[in-house]
Amino acid sequence: DAMVIQNPRYQVTQFGKPVTLSCSQTLNHNVMYWYQQKSSQAPKLLFHYYDKDFNNEADTPDNFQSRRPNTSFCFLDIRSPGLGDAAMYLCATSRVDHRDEQFFGPGTRLTVL
Amino acid sequence: AQKITQTQPGMFVQEKEAVTLDCTYDTSDQSYGLFWYKQPSSGEMIFLIYQGSYDEQNATEGRYSLNFQKARKSANLVISASQLGDSAMYFCAMREYPDYKLSFGAGTTVTVRA
Repeated sequence: DAMVIQNPRYQVTQFGKPVTLSCSQTLNHNVMYWYQQKSSQAPKLLFHYYDKDFNNEADTPDNFQSRRPNTSFCFLDIRSPGLGDAAMYLCATSRVDHRDEQFFGPGTRLTVL
Repeated sequence: AQKITQTQPGMFVQEKEAVTLDCTYDTSDQSYGLFWYKQPSSGEMIFLIYQGSYDEQNATEGRYSLNFQKARKSANLVISASQLGDSAMYFCAMREYPDYKLSFGAGTTVTVRA
C-alpha cells in the first residue's frame, strides 16, 4: 500500500545531542511537510518542501533543519535538542490539487533527557 | 487571528449516538477547502472528510458528514452511530488556495462511552 513512513517511531536523545528523524513516501507527492505537535495541541508546521524548494515557517527555530535528497525522502535534523523540543514530529505529504488532503505518517515521538 | 476555531475541548458521547463537533473559520478568500482529521492516541492523523468552498452539497463519507454553512463560516462534523473506536482527538483544518498549507484548529477530544 502507498504510504508515509516515519523512522524511528520513538527516539530518545540527550540534551544537546543532534538527532535526525526520517520520513519516506511511496505516494510520489510533490509536497512534504514536517510538523511538531506537543501534547493536546494542534500540529505546528515547521517547514515544507515543494519538490526541491524549501519553505521555512517564520517562527521555526534555527535549531531545526531539513533535507530532501529526492522525492521519496525527507529528513528533520535537530541540531541541539532542548527539553522544549520533546514532542511528536509528524511528516505529511500532498499533491497540490484543490481537493487533495495531506497524508500523514505515524509520527516520531521524541524524548529529550 | 485564529483561522480555525474549535470551541469544544472535550466531549462525551454514548455509543450508537450521533455527535456534532463545531468548527468555525475565518477567511476572506473565496476559494478554500475545509478538512477534518482524526487523531487516535497512537498519534497518526487520519483524513476523514473534505468540503470545498464551492461545493453546493454537504460532504458525506460513511458515518461522517459535514454541515457546511458558508454564510456563517462554519463546517461542523457530524459522526453518526458513534463507536468506541471513534474515541480520539478531532481537528478541523482549512486550506486557502492557491496555498497548500493547512491551518489547524485546537482540536476536540471525543470520548465514546459504552
